[in-house]
Amino acid sequence: AQTVTQSQPEMSVQEAETVTLSCTYDTSESDYYLFWYKQPPSRQMILVIRQEAYKQQNATENRFSVNFQKAAKSFSLKISDSQLGDAAMYFCAYRSAYFGNEKLTFGTGTRLTIIP
Amino acid sequence: GAGVSQSPSNKVTEKGKDVELRCDPISGHTALYWYRQRLGQGLEFLIYFQGNSAPDKSGLPSDRFSAERTGESVSTLTIQRTQQEDSAVYLCASSLVRIEGQVSRNTGELFFGEGSRLTVL
Repeated sequence: AQTVTQSQPEMSVQEAETVTLSCTYDTSESDYYLFWYKQPPSRQMILVIRQEAYKQQNATENRFSVNFQKAAKSFSLKISDSQLGDAAMYFCAYRSAYFGNEKLTFGTGTRLTIIP
Repeated sequence: GAGVSQSPSNKVTEKGKDVELRCDPISGHTALYWYRQRLGQGLEFLIYFQGNSAPDKSGLPSDRFSAERTGESVSTLTIQRTQQEDSAVYLCASSLVRIEGQVSRNTGELFFGEGSRLTVL
């Protein structure tokens, strides 16, 4: 079974600074997806960024980028120029690419606080 | 609608009563998921549907929990004889399955609703 580990329950960063959230995972599969989801107090889960395991290039979405290290099974999220609206719970998640193995497995989350 | 819709948004019930939670997925999404999130915790997988069948019910915590899906659309999660430990936010999500040649492939991300907050007194 796949597992996802987020070792930082809480992080804080000064507004406009950069912060990195860590995530590691364990799998025996070679083809999969990794995600970072954001959950603000409104509780809706919002996709921040996704990475396909067969792509070596790290995904980037505006101020959000990942450092995907497949061999090390590491998938960290970097948030540049942090903004107050970035404050939320961030969940790392794993999903197999193989049909029939459907569920998304989440880490326990990191609560990010932005200091004005 | 454009997104995943869940109802009710909030539900308060007395211990021992039955509750039904509803999820309307994004149109065309054949895969549908239920997750539970207790206060301050991560997401706990409950069940997923591919079409109207549920190949993976491994996350249902007890036989008081059941779910069904009809018409490859709406799903209902039913909790019988509710207990206080059932208090949580129940999140529904849907996703596409893409056919590539003769292979079905998960397309990736799940799209979530805003959840139903259940409080059992």
